[in-house]
Amino acid sequence: DAKTTQPTSMDCAEGRAANLPCNHSTISGNEYVYWYRQIHSQGPQYIIHGLKNNETNEMASLIITEDRKSSTLILPHATLRDTAVYYCIVLGNYGQNFVFGPGTRLSVLP
Amino acid sequence: NAGVTQTPKFRILKIGQSMTLQCTQDMNHNYMYWYRQDPGMGLKLIYYSVGAGITDKGEVPNGYNVSRSTTEDFPLRLELAAPSQTSVYFCASSTSGTGPYEQYFGPGTRLTVT
Repeated sequence: DAKTTQPTSMDCAEGRAANLPCNHSTISGNEYVYWYRQIHSQGPQYIIHGLKNNETNEMASLIITEDRKSSTLILPHATLRDTAVYYCIVLGNYGQNFVFGPGTRLSVLP
Repeated sequence: NAGVTQTPKFRILKIGQSMTLQCTQDMNHNYMYWYRQDPGMGLKLIYYSVGAGITDKGEVPNGYNVSRSTTEDFPLRLELAAPSQTSVYFCASSTSGTGPYEQYFGPGTRLTVT
């Protein structure tokens, strides 16, 4: 499975869009990009996933570059409750081996 | 649906003791996973199972054992607890097939070995 790199931490003002980048330059053609988040010490929570097209759901949008080597998770109007660690994961079609790196610690500031 | 439930929530063990962390899911998922998370770190996969009777090692299996006798339950056994096993343990489950997968996580068990 491809490795990912993310910034260690980011800040965002409440009400503004939070854009969280992820590099996955070794991703292969059948691997999906997943985003999860972990609020405080709770279990991780699924946010969104995509293969090559941009995706949007009620929580976030996922923008994947055309070469698929990087992606950006967008929280359109960040709230204080979005303060969490965000994990970008790349996984193939038989997805047993989720690998959670250290993620990006997003702090939403009032 | 309760989703993924884990017991206990907290536990303190003495070095050399054993215990079983319980995990149950009511979503009829074939895939189940155990992770550990050390302070300030990401999650590491300990063991996983793709169905009843089938288990396999993850990244950090040493010191742990698992069994999967039913679809719903996936207990994690710690034998001869060591301080290095102090961690938060998360159980997760997901559907099977050819993906993609969304893993559902339990609330975690916080274990301290002293």
